Amino acid sequence: EVQLVESGGGLVQPGESLRLSCAASGFTFSDHYMDWVRQAPGKGLEWVGRTRNKANSYTTEYAASVKGRFTISRDDSKNSLYLQMNSLKTEDTAVYYCARLSWNYYFDYWGQGTLVTVSS
Amino acid sequence: DIQLTQSPSFLSASVGDRVTITCRASQGISSYLAWYQQKSGKAPKLLIYAASTLQSGVPSRFSGSGSGTEFTLTISSLQPEDFATYYCQHRNSYPVTFGGGTKVEIK
Repeated sequence: EVQLVESGGGLVQPGESLRLSCAASGFTFSDHYMDWVRQAPGKGLEWVGRTRNKANSYTTEYAASVKGRFTISRDDSKNSLYLQMNSLKTEDTAVYYCARLSWNYYFDYWGQGTLVTVSS
Repeated sequence: DIQLTQSPSFLSASVGDRVTITCRASQGISSYLAWYQQKSGKAPKLLIYAASTLQSGVPSRFSGSGSGTEFTLTISSLQPEDFATYYCQHRNSYPVTFGGGTKVEIK
């Protein structure tokens, strides 16, 4: 059974940093592209970014709203995905989901999400 | 960026009703569109991909159609478990974007 479990969320002040993790199991993690998607309270879904697999050099893509502040990485030996978030802003407050991309690049599995609150 | 506009943003329907949700793209995206269902407090769930292909395990009352700039999600006979928010999403280019959502509530 495919499982994605996020962790690392919490309350931080504006300007601070936070690192989220996503532990994957039940599939060959190293084969798949992985994404982060967020959802502000009461709002819709917003794509954050993507890491490709080793075959595609682990290259990354980011939304303009987080580019230069957030970094996505992965450790295939640990079946884990990460989101390093720096210079956090109040507008980064959201539930952050990790999501697996299917072979045809749709989000076929999602984690349960972890809440990040940025507030002074 | 490709904008996805869903309509309506809210609809009230009864069990057994046929429900149609529309997603319009700001430019052509071929058939590179998915639909997700999200229940309150839960992660989204993939329903339809490539505009019209039903994800494994999804009931056949869900169907999708369209290509280019106009897409629809249809629920042929609304069931109690279908009350949720539905999102469209394109994978045509970066950035990936989602529609604003359609909340389906019980009449």
